[in-house]
Amino acid sequence: DAGVIQSPRHEVTEMGQEVTLRCKPISGHNSLFWYRQTMMRGLELLIYFNNNVPIDDSGMPEDRFSAKMPNASFSTLKIQPSEPRDSAVYFCASSLTGGGQTQYFGPGTRLLVL
Amino acid sequence: SQQGEEDPQALSIQEGENATMNCSYKTSINNLQWYRQNSGRGLVHLILIRSNEREKHSGRLRVTLDTSKKSSSLLITASRAADTASYFCATDAPDSWGKLQFGAGTQVVVTP
Repeated sequence: DAGVIQSPRHEVTEMGQEVTLRCKPISGHNSLFWYRQTMMRGLELLIYFNNNVPIDDSGMPEDRFSAKMPNASFSTLKIQPSEPRDSAVYFCASSLTGGGQTQYFGPGTRLLVL
Repeated sequence: SQQGEEDPQALSIQEGENATMNCSYKTSINNLQWYRQNSGRGLVHLILIRSNEREKHSGRLRVTLDTSKKSSSLLITASRAADTASYFCATDAPDSWGKLQFGAGTQVVVTP
């Protein structure tokens, strides 16, 4: 298995632009997680899907952030408009049951908003 | 918010030595997991210990769990330069819908 795939790996954009991050979970996994990692705040859970349905989006910072999972093999995290404070590494992870089982992380997308 | 808190924040040892790091948490848990993150990479799962287990081994890793003290420790024996990474504990609480709460991590540097 190729593992969790994320694209792009690096993104540099200007403040105000729309940013879309993509994730393909491991085939057969039914839970998907989006995290953000910064030096200041550590690893934060943004949103969690189970069977393509958002279960908990309490970690989404504000309305500028949105996430979708149209099918079991694809998810997007969108930031519109982006701000410099959104600069971080964004990770997608998937797991088999979502009930605290092992999570498999993608390589991350390093986002820099100028 | 972070449930798990690792201690120490950073650890520097020489190859061959053992590395021990601790994790404390605040609420009851279903299980506790340890992950490793190499610089610039995603987290990799190391080991999971359930709330009814006290000790678990995997290769050079030994994890203990003391639910009465709400703490866990990760021991890496005979460390290698390749063990240089950040190590995170993550807890799964009964009422959390399976969300994992990650700590801030322990940064381990193993010098040859």
